[in-house]
Amino acid sequence: QVQLQESGPGLVKPSQTLSLTCSVSGGSISGGGYYWTWIRQRPGKGLEWIGHIFFSGNTYYNPSVKSRVSISVDTSKNRFSLKLSSVTAADTAVYFCARLSDYFDLWGRGTQVTVSS
Amino acid sequence: SYVLTQPPSVSVAPGQTARITCEENNIRSKTVHWYQQQPGQAPLLVVYDDSGRPSGVSERFSGSNSGNMATLTISRVEAGDEADYYCQVWDSSTDHVVFGGGTKLTVL
Repeated sequence: QVQLQESGPGLVKPSQTLSLTCSVSGGSISGGGYYWTWIRQRPGKGLEWIGHIFFSGNTYYNPSVKSRVSISVDTSKNRFSLKLSSVTAADTAVYFCARLSDYFDLWGRGTQVTVSS
Repeated sequence: SYVLTQPPSVSVAPGQTARITCEENNIRSKTVHWYQQQPGQAPLLVVYDDSGRPSGVSERFSGSNSGNMATLTISRVEAGDEADYYCQVWDSSTDHVVFGGGTKLTVL
């Protein structure tokens, strides 16, 4: 079955760029008409949609982070990535990757990212 | 854009019925999905397309959507249902995703 796995640094310094990758196994990122999504959850808070990408490269971003975020896809490696620039402590969160049709039917386990010097 | 309003908390005794609401003007025009999140875990889809139930999800979970309110209903509540619950819609006018603020279900 299809599985998602986030990877990347758990600690990022303020003002630097957060970079995460979501590897897709058990299925093709190009198949099925899904959108591949990043979602985060700040400590003690709710779910926040960051953005998503179609395998063709079309992207959609939350206006709250749009000026700082970039999501890309690498179909040859069956993975997609998140870059969030100029991070602050407010970007400290658990970051999830997920598969989206009209709803999220598949999630990664999440990865903790802390922004601290 | 959409703002989905959920009550911060709902409490219910074991065996009773829990109802968690998600409000937005004319939400009936959207399809609503619901997730359960246990502490330290990724969310799990429990209801899709207003009232659909994914394979493997207990039949005690059901959903409805009418007027300005969508509702997740959990029948015969068990201790294991204690979790945070989130509603979600896709705003087709912007291709953006919106989550509700989440509701913490406490089983007394």
